[in-house]
Amino acid sequence: NAGVTQTPKFQVLKTGQSMTLQCAQDMNHEYMSWYRQDPGMGLRLIHYSVGAGITDQGEVPNGYNVSRSTTEDFPLRLLSAAPSQTSVYFCASSPVGTDSGANVLTFGAGSRLTVL
Amino acid sequence: AQSVTQLGSHVSVSEGALVLLRCNYSSSVPPYLFWYVQYPNQGLQLLLKYTTGATLVKGINGFEAEFKKSETSFHLTKPSAHMSDAAEYFCAAVSSGSARQLTFGSGTQLTVLP
Repeated sequence: NAGVTQTPKFQVLKTGQSMTLQCAQDMNHEYMSWYRQDPGMGLRLIHYSVGAGITDQGEVPNGYNVSRSTTEDFPLRLLSAAPSQTSVYFCASSPVGTDSGANVLTFGAGSRLTVL
Repeated sequence: AQSVTQLGSHVSVSEGALVLLRCNYSSSVPPYLFWYVQYPNQGLQLLLKYTTGATLVKGINGFEAEFKKSETSFHLTKPSAHMSDAAEYFCAAVSSGSARQLTFGSGTQLTVLP
């Protein structure tokens, strides 16, 4: 059971380049999300999805796009990278039940992105 | 939306000493509360969570936390620190019924001194 898998682990981009961070989970979780982690700011929610075909914005969505075509995959796209997007990105998933707030997130190992 | 405050971005304790990491949330409605731990170059792992019921919650690795509604606090403690406890700790809160707005504190880096 692999859990949540993120690729790549490290990436360096130049300003204006585009890229996609991949996230896949094999636990049949309906809920998937992307967070960014910056020093002194904890984790901030970028986008989330409660099922295939459904996505919504979190706290810091600007500059990022997502889609959810399957239950397993939730890619995060940067269309035109900016230095302010230098960060560590985490994908996380959980089941969605009758009391989904109590469900624990399973996190991937993270993707460290540097934008020059 | 919830707001979570962790007092002290860095905490140092000696091995064998008490660990106390502070967390306060802002809500008139008790939320669900979590403590996650992040070891270097890894993702976050759940230490413990409070949803309903007993206000003293026990987690993994000897950690526990007490939900105090009157103080809007959920402080994390461990009676005796071990070198392996060195990590970053995050408190998080979410309003009941929603997994969509889990709010994290800014984190506390715990250093354990020999």
